[in-house]
Amino acid sequence: SQTIHQWPATLVQPVGSPLSLECTVEGTSNPNLYWYRQAAGRGLQLLFYSVGIGQISSEVPQNLSASRPQDRQFILSSKKLLLSDSGFYLCAWIPMGQGSGYTFGSGTRLTVV
Amino acid sequence: GQQLNQSPQSMFIQEGEDVSMNCTSSSIFNTWLWYKQDPGEGPVLLIALYKAGELTSNGRLTAQFGITRKDSFLNISASIPSDVGIYFCAGHPSSNTGKLIFGQGTTLQVKP
Repeated sequence: SQTIHQWPATLVQPVGSPLSLECTVEGTSNPNLYWYRQAAGRGLQLLFYSVGIGQISSEVPQNLSASRPQDRQFILSSKKLLLSDSGFYLCAWIPMGQGSGYTFGSGTRLTVV
Repeated sequence: GQQLNQSPQSMFIQEGEDVSMNCTSSSIFNTWLWYKQDPGEGPVLLIALYKAGELTSNGRLTAQFGITRKDSFLNISASIPSDVGIYFCAGHPSSNTGKLIFGQGTTLQVKP
C-alpha cells in the first residue's frame, strides 16, 4: 500500500539549535515530494519540492534547507533555528492513482523557544 | 505568481445548516481540489475536479469546477459537529508548473 510517514509529531527546540524532520513514503518509486509550512493554523506555504534524488527546488528564501538522500526519503533541516521557524510542517506526495491530488503526512508541530 | 482567493475566511454556523465556500483565481486552472484539515492533522483530500463544469459529490459534500476554469465552490449540506475544521481549495494552474496552489483556507465552526 502507498503510505507516507512523517516524524516527529511534535518538537520543542531552543533558538539556535539544529533541526531535522524526516518524511518517508512507501509503495511507490520516484515520487514528487513536497515540504509545506503552516503558521497559525491557516495557509499552506510551499517550502521545497523534489522530483528525484538530489533534486531540490526552493520556493522561498529562508533559514531552512531540504535534502533527498534516497528515492523515498525527504528531509527538512536547519543549522540554527529562529523563533520564526515555529509552525506546523507538512510533507506531501502524489500517490499513484490519485490523479493530481497531494496526500499529506500527519505533520510536525515545531515550537522554537 | 498565481494565487487562489478563498472565501469566506471563517464561518460559524448552527448544526443542520448548509455551508458554501468558494475559490477564485485570475488565471485558468486545469484541476481543482478540496481538502479538509482537522486540528493537528494534515489536510485530507475530499473531492477532485478535472473538467470545466464538472459537478461531483462525496456524501454531503458537493463541489463544482467553474465553467471559466477560474473558480470552484464547495457546498456542505446539513452540517454536523464533525464538519469542524479548515477547508482548503487547491488547483493546478494551466501553466503546469507541477505544483499545487492552495487557497488560504476557510475555518468552519459548527454549533451543536
